[in-house]
Amino acid sequence: EAGVAQSPRYKIIEKRQSVAFWCNPISGHATLYWYQQILGQGPKLLIQFQNNGVVDDSQLPKDRFSAERLKGVDSTLKIQPAKLEDSAVYLCASSLAARNTGELFFGEGSRLTVL
Amino acid sequence: LAKTTQPISMDSYEGQEVNITCSHNNIATNDYITWYQQFPSQGPRFIIQGYKTKVTNEVASLFIPADRKSSTLSLPRVSLSDTAVYYCLVGYRDDKIIFGKGTRLHILP
Repeated sequence: EAGVAQSPRYKIIEKRQSVAFWCNPISGHATLYWYQQILGQGPKLLIQFQNNGVVDDSQLPKDRFSAERLKGVDSTLKIQPAKLEDSAVYLCASSLAARNTGELFFGEGSRLTVL
Repeated sequence: LAKTTQPISMDSYEGQEVNITCSHNNIATNDYITWYQQFPSQGPRFIIQGYKTKVTNEVASLFIPADRKSSTLSLPRVSLSDTAVYYCLVGYRDDKIIFGKGTRLHILP
């Protein structure tokens, strides 16, 4: 089965510019996550969707980050305006919510460099 | 959410068995214990999950004592390709899957 698809793989922008990342989860996976992983650290949960509703966005910097999951499938994560500290890998993951054990499947990530 | 504590880094040699222990003193009754592996420039990959006692798959074994306050990931006969970061997580279903800093495992020739 196809895995979680993310694009772009790499993006370089200047501070104060905007950027958007796209994620297509595994077919049938109701839960979708966006994580931010700064170099040398573990992934940090930014937002979790269940179908097209937000389950948790407590760690999302809402003044500059936004995310949506239209029709409960694809999702986009936007940063506007970007700051230097937003340089990180943005990981998308999905899971089959019906399972009790919640195994997450991750994409390869989108690496953002803010200059 | 149960917090996990694991060593920051470990070194081992090819062919050795590696055991990484994770403590989770506040684990809840419904929580499962899950381990992920992450190679550079890749997303984390699920490797094993358990609730109690022992679980084994083609990649690793997971040992969980009766009190479930800790768990040990065992990698048999490691190779250079097992060099990665290993994350221990506890949680129920897919609610708020939180990663810690993980253990950086470095396999030496």
